[in-house]
Amino acid sequence: SAVISQKPSRDICQRGTSLTIQCQVDSQVTMMFWYRQQPGQSLTLIATANQGSEATYESGFVIDKFPISRPNLTFSTLTVSNMSPEDSSIYLCSVQDSVKNIQYFGAGTRLSVL
Amino acid sequence: AQRVTQPEKLLSVFKGAPVELKCNYSYSGSPELFWYVQYSRQRLQLLLRHISRESIKGFTADLNKGETSFHLKKPFAQEEDSAMYYCALNQAGTALIFGKGTTLSVSS
Repeated sequence: SAVISQKPSRDICQRGTSLTIQCQVDSQVTMMFWYRQQPGQSLTLIATANQGSEATYESGFVIDKFPISRPNLTFSTLTVSNMSPEDSSIYLCSVQDSVKNIQYFGAGTRLSVL
Repeated sequence: AQRVTQPEKLLSVFKGAPVELKCNYSYSGSPELFWYVQYSRQRLQLLLRHISRESIKGFTADLNKGETSFHLKKPFAQEEDSAMYYCALNQAGTALIFGKGTTLSVSS
């Protein structure tokens, strides 16, 4: 199984600032995903980030607010821009083993915006 | 619309009692169904998937295409089963779609 390291594990940020979340995988993977889990809610897909192409965003999420980088097959970043208290959530990185069709998850980044 | 429905937000049972966590889905095509579990202070992890047809930690789940259901069952609940359980689906090469999750609480 893939081992995913996500940084930071938590942060408290001021309104209007931006936070970049890093996701490092111990093996090369084609498909990476970013999810949001708001308090008491399920996981909602933000975007799919495949290496070598632009990230594909789900309805309700835009690149200006959540820019994503995917420079290689083991790393990705998600930036939460111009934050507001409504962005307070857990953000999760996930990768897919395309052969087994299994998704693995990072431990998440717990973000609080004041 | 592609949707996973878990009707119970919370399921409380006593140790040794049977458990059934319900999951229904709506999907055009032939999805693969999964159950993921998140124990306290741990990351989300795969519990089982329908194509494996195996029992993990005493849990089983059968895909019923007629009823579009994938309920998770265990005959005798243990306290260590207390966790959040998510039903999810996808087609290979796409991201998982999750239900809202069910918190299972097993007490002695």
